[in-house]
Amino acid sequence: QKEVEQDPGPLSVPEGAIVSLNCTYSNSAFQYFMWYRQYSRKGPELLMYTYSSGNKEDGRFTAQVDKSSKYISLFIRDSQPSDSATYLCAPFPGYSSASKIIFGSGTRLSIRP
Amino acid sequence: NAGVTQTPKFQVLKTGQSMTLQCAQDMNHEYMSWYRQDPGMGLRLIHYSVGAGITDQGEVPNGYNVSRSTTEDFPLRLLSAAPSQTSVYFCASSSPGANVLTFGAGSRLTVL
Repeated sequence: QKEVEQDPGPLSVPEGAIVSLNCTYSNSAFQYFMWYRQYSRKGPELLMYTYSSGNKEDGRFTAQVDKSSKYISLFIRDSQPSDSATYLCAPFPGYSSASKIIFGSGTRLSIRP
Repeated sequence: NAGVTQTPKFQVLKTGQSMTLQCAQDMNHEYMSWYRQDPGMGLRLIHYSVGAGITDQGEVPNGYNVSRSTTEDFPLRLLSAAPSQTSVYFCASSSPGANVLTFGAGSRLTVL
């Protein structure tokens, strides 16, 4: 079993829809949960991160972590064509592990105008 | 402030050739990493370094060497290129007190 599992998609939704992107993980030591966004032919960029369980909201984006079920979600409200990208989840134990972060396979998202 | 700079952006090799992918960062980050990205596989960690003179293996280290003689540079060497090493390679850096990886723009390698 891979440490981080993510549905690769592709996922295609109409503009304005609510998008739900999900990951599962197996390592209970993970404390930080990051989401990276990667546009085509670019390097990934950090979108947002949370620490431990709970929700974190940033504009149209909400990250949710359920450590009891080892489940991570990213919700996008009022989705826009500019949100079309690949989204990668990246949980990791802590600061000392920031050099060796393991990523999910990424979900390719397309927002149709 | 350039961030993380990777060269070359594109490279075509023949099987058995060797080459070095360069990575340089100007943010004084102690941590640096190399990933490869293949369709449906996400980013896979090749090698990483927590400081000058210290390197370690990631998930897929076979066929690659690294060294870290300075804080700024972290080159990735392909010893004898194979078609299975056709991929997009990303270098990333971070500081120990932060959770954020800063990525380069990537190097697209094709091995024939």
